[in-house]
Amino acid sequence: GDSVTQMEGPVTLSEEAFLTINCTYTATGYPSLFWYVQYPGEGLQLLLKATKADDKGSNKGFEATYRKETTSFHLEKGSVQVSDSAVYFCALDTGGFKTIFGAGTRLFVKA
Amino acid sequence: DAGVIQSPRHEVTEMGQEVTLRCKPISGHNSLFWYRQTMMRGLELLIYFNNNVPIDDSGMPEDRFSAKMPNASFSTLKIQPSEPRDSAVYFCASSWGYRDSQETQYFGPGTRLLVL
Repeated sequence: GDSVTQMEGPVTLSEEAFLTINCTYTATGYPSLFWYVQYPGEGLQLLLKATKADDKGSNKGFEATYRKETTSFHLEKGSVQVSDSAVYFCALDTGGFKTIFGAGTRLFVKA
Repeated sequence: DAGVIQSPRHEVTEMGQEVTLRCKPISGHNSLFWYRQTMMRGLELLIYFNNNVPIDDSGMPEDRFSAKMPNASFSTLKIQPSEPRDSAVYFCASSWGYRDSQETQYFGPGTRLLVL
């Protein structure tokens, strides 16, 4: 069945460091891919999305490129801030109303 | 625009009591999802509705859990009787889409449930 695998956390970085959170997927068909972010005490919210191969989603300095050949959608940011501390979820949707979420990766950014 | 609204935001109850969680989806959305989040199990999909009809309730842990969506603007998740292992954050999310579309979900702030 469809699934998402993302790197285990927590990931701890110093402010202004480069961030990569790996995400790979297994899916039949042609899914849309998403990154959601959950700040402490809040619900998940969409960070970025890509709907087809080679698309790049971007938002708030974060980027991810839909790589069909490697079935990956890795999240990157060039310079993290303390305010980026949160849990990041990779997700896919192949249609049929349901989104498949990864387990989440917790990011801590130190000042 | 108002986002997804959940109530209560926090609930503390004793084992054996009935708990009712409420959700108002974003106006115009036609799909609604109930999730449970714990440290041990992460984010779990419990049930989802499309056009007020339950589509898949295979994630509901047991018969103590039930969910209804009597109209497009309201849903409830009920636990009766509650147990300490039900303690978690329960999220409601909504989206707009049709069977083959691939849509963003919009999450509410969650209800933090503690069963003593």
